[in-house]
Amino acid sequence: AQKVTQAQTEISVVEKEDVTLDCVYETRDTTYYLFWYKQPPSGELVFLIRRNSFDEQNEISGRYSWNFQKSTSSFNFTITASQVVDSAVYFCALSDLYAGGTSYGKLTFGQGTILTVHP
Amino acid sequence: DTEVTQTPKHLVMGMTNKKSLKCEQHMGHRAMYWYKQKAKKPPELMFVYSYEKLSINESVPSRFSPECPNSSLLNLHLHALQPEDSALYLCASSQDERGGQPQHFGDGTRLSIL
Repeated sequence: AQKVTQAQTEISVVEKEDVTLDCVYETRDTTYYLFWYKQPPSGELVFLIRRNSFDEQNEISGRYSWNFQKSTSSFNFTITASQVVDSAVYFCALSDLYAGGTSYGKLTFGQGTILTVHP
Repeated sequence: DTEVTQTPKHLVMGMTNKKSLKCEQHMGHRAMYWYKQKAKKPPELMFVYSYEKLSINESVPSRFSPECPNSSLLNLHLHALQPEDSALYLCASSQDERGGQPQHFGDGTRLSIL
């Protein structure tokens, strides 16, 4: 069975601080995908990044960076120089290629981390 | 702006009412999803449509009835709902239903059952 754990329920920082959101996953599959989504108060889940299990290269996109470590089953997300607009709930999610003999790979979400950035 | 549009944004209904939620996407995606999200919880998958056919039903009560009239539209018909059905209902789409395809979500419909 798949599982995603986001141990940090809530994080509060002051603007311009760096913040790291932790994500640890469990899966028996050798091929899988990891995602991060952002959910601002408006409700929409915004897709941030996808990483497949064969690509352990870290990625940077502006103030966002992701650290994928297969050895520790972690896919952590860092926001550098946080801004008030970064305040949201962040979900880490896991998907395999196949589930139950179908081609559908269900998204398994973590419980989410509420990030509040204060001015 | 989101590329998945959901209407209405808010809906209040009584337990005997019949209403429908609508979702539309014009990205050419062939998989569409309905999720239910309670406050401070992750989204829970309800239904998956693949190429306009129901592919997955996550044991959702029959008072929720999905419909996919065409590849761009997804409806969720509601009837005789219970107060515990109050939640944010999210629609999503992806290129197809294969695992690993990023899902793109709408803003959701906030549903309140009186």
